Amino acid sequence: ETGVTQSPTHLIKTRGQQVTLRCSSQSGHNTVSWYQQALGQGPQFIFQYYREEENGRGNFPPRFSGLQFPNYSSELNVNALELDDSALYLCASSPPTSGGYQETQYFGPGTRLLVL
Amino acid sequence: SQQGEEDPQALSIQEGENATMNCSYKTSINNLQWYRQNSGRGLVHLILIRSNEREKHSGRLRVTLDTSKKSSSLLITASRAADTASYFCATDPPTGANSKLTFGKGITLSVRP
Repeated sequence: ETGVTQSPTHLIKTRGQQVTLRCSSQSGHNTVSWYQQALGQGPQFIFQYYREEENGRGNFPPRFSGLQFPNYSSELNVNALELDDSALYLCASSPPTSGGYQETQYFGPGTRLLVL
Repeated sequence: SQQGEEDPQALSIQEGENATMNCSYKTSINNLQWYRQNSGRGLVHLILIRSNEREKHSGRLRVTLDTSKKSSSLLITASRAADTASYFCATDPPTGANSKLTFGKGITLSVRP
């Protein structure tokens, strides 16, 4: 277990709805990254938050948005859900660096989203 | 888009045998990492190898990296039924201060008791 938690574990939504997924990072970690994993595929980088600011974004449309809070927990919001948004959503946290490059990410168990 | 391509897509071996999985990638990297995923749940970090390293060991795991061929291999020795899982390689680009991983599609490993 990494100490990264996500909620909810499972979620069913209908097309057009909005969803919010939550992630609590491991204690002391100030960076959170979100990934989408479709069935049978590898995870795809959505975006990353560092000290409450977006710090890099993958090839996802603006209806995917996020937040990071002062306690470094994070939310992923998806508006106007589409059928293809059905996937496992993973968050990963990283500890602060001491001037170096932060390499290791610690993943949570994921939220499985089904869009009908 | 996915940077890494793992090979084979699926591997079935007998307990006690060695499992070798390969990964190829396309662009420059800062490091390459291998992860394991059980039953579609969270990813577990196995091992990281930096671009200036050629080989690394961790317990029953051995990873090699050939940056000239843009390829890596993961060897699991003396496999166990508990090693049954999906394995992913992930590359980390040499930009920015925080890791942003690009994953391959994964290899499904089945270890028969």
